[in-house]
Amino acid sequence: EPEVTQTPSHQVTQMGQEVILRCVPISNHLYFYWYRQILGQKVEFLVSFYNNEISEKSEIFDDQFSVERPDGSNFTLKIRSTKLEDSAMYFCASRILVEEQFFGPGTRLTVL
Amino acid sequence: AQRVTQPEKLLSVFKGAPVELKCNYSYSGSPELFWYVQYSRQRLQLLLRHISRESIKGFTADLNKGETSFHLKKPFAQEEDSAMYYCARTSGGSYIPTFGRGTSLIVHP
Repeated sequence: EPEVTQTPSHQVTQMGQEVILRCVPISNHLYFYWYRQILGQKVEFLVSFYNNEISEKSEIFDDQFSVERPDGSNFTLKIRSTKLEDSAMYFCASRILVEEQFFGPGTRLTVL
Repeated sequence: AQRVTQPEKLLSVFKGAPVELKCNYSYSGSPELFWYVQYSRQRLQLLLRHISRESIKGFTADLNKGETSFHLKKPFAQEEDSAMYYCARTSGGSYIPTFGRGTSLIVHP
């Protein structure tokens, strides 16, 4: 059964560094999402992406964040200058039309 | 603003006992309610949605509009039900769920 994959599973970085989190959505899916979950808190929506552009974003998704679909398979989340409070699990999800979202296993980002 | 409240952070029961994980939501628009589950070291996955009125793995959830609740129930818990359970809602045609903080269910043998 096809699955959403994410790499790396764990990323450790220094404050102020740029990080890129990678996701490979399910191949025939059209809508792509990023969520984050700070330890002990709820899963929060960051951004949705459709037809090569952002369709919706939350207030969390400020100028430090960007998303890209550089080719036909990858969907990336870039954080330009990481802060301590960016430490969290980041989940990618994808869906096709009206069906449910399928989540990836997550990337744990630790900012030191 | 859409809100989803799961009042219990942790629910601990013995195998065979009934389980009810509580979820309340803020009333706005025409909400669609969901339960997601995350087993240990696995990804978040959809368990059930209110519009399907289905029972998955013995779990059911009834939307109570009067009480704005969508509690998840199972009459006889199994050890393999141990997981994090997240209640979520969408509304207004959006497919972006607002999640509750989650309830950790532990089923003891």
